[in-house]
Amino acid sequence: DSGVTQTPKHLITATGQRVTLRCSPRSGDLSVYWYQQSLDQGLQFLIQYYNGEERAKGNILERFSAQQFPDLHSELNLSSLELGDSALYFCASSVSGQRADTQYFGPGTRLTVL
Amino acid sequence: ILNVEQSPQSLHVQEGDSTNFTCSFPSSNFYALHWYRWETAKSPEALFVMTLNGDEKKKGRISATLNTKEGYSYLYIKGSQPEDSATYLCAFQNNNDMRFGAGTRLTVKP
Repeated sequence: DSGVTQTPKHLITATGQRVTLRCSPRSGDLSVYWYQQSLDQGLQFLIQYYNGEERAKGNILERFSAQQFPDLHSELNLSSLELGDSALYFCASSVSGQRADTQYFGPGTRLTVL
Repeated sequence: ILNVEQSPQSLHVQEGDSTNFTCSFPSSNFYALHWYRWETAKSPEALFVMTLNGDEKKKGRISATLNTKEGYSYLYIKGSQPEDSATYLCAFQNNNDMRFGAGTRLTVKP
């Protein structure tokens, strides 16, 4: 157990809908990262937040957004969902915003878009 | 384009064999190279983070080296055990992005 928690574990929804995935970092970690693992794309970095501020942005679609709250938990919002958004979404956390920090991954949220 | 290549794609070895995998990455704008161990139905587990050319890291029977000038990293497993069976992922990090390889899937047969 890495200490990173993600909810829900599974989510099934329909195309066009909007969902919110939640992540709580390890106690004391200030940085949160979001990743998408799809069958055809492998593991892809979406976005990083550090202490409430966006720190780095990867391959995140405009339909997706994220934020980190004062208590350091983070939410990833996915809107206008498409079939291709079906994937496993991981959150990871690290102690600081240093890019060479060890990242600890949560168990993931499996999203299925029907 | 940030292409991260890992080879081989998969590897089957006998218990006790030593093995190694390669991760190739762009040699420009390098910031860090991460190695992860990913077991089926679990989440990636960090093994090493390396930042300096010539870095060598070791954790038990697993070690890694880094060459940022030529853009490659090696991961070595000495005396493989069945519990080492997993996918080993590397990830290249620059100033604003992190790109993962497709992984090397290792199967260690008892």
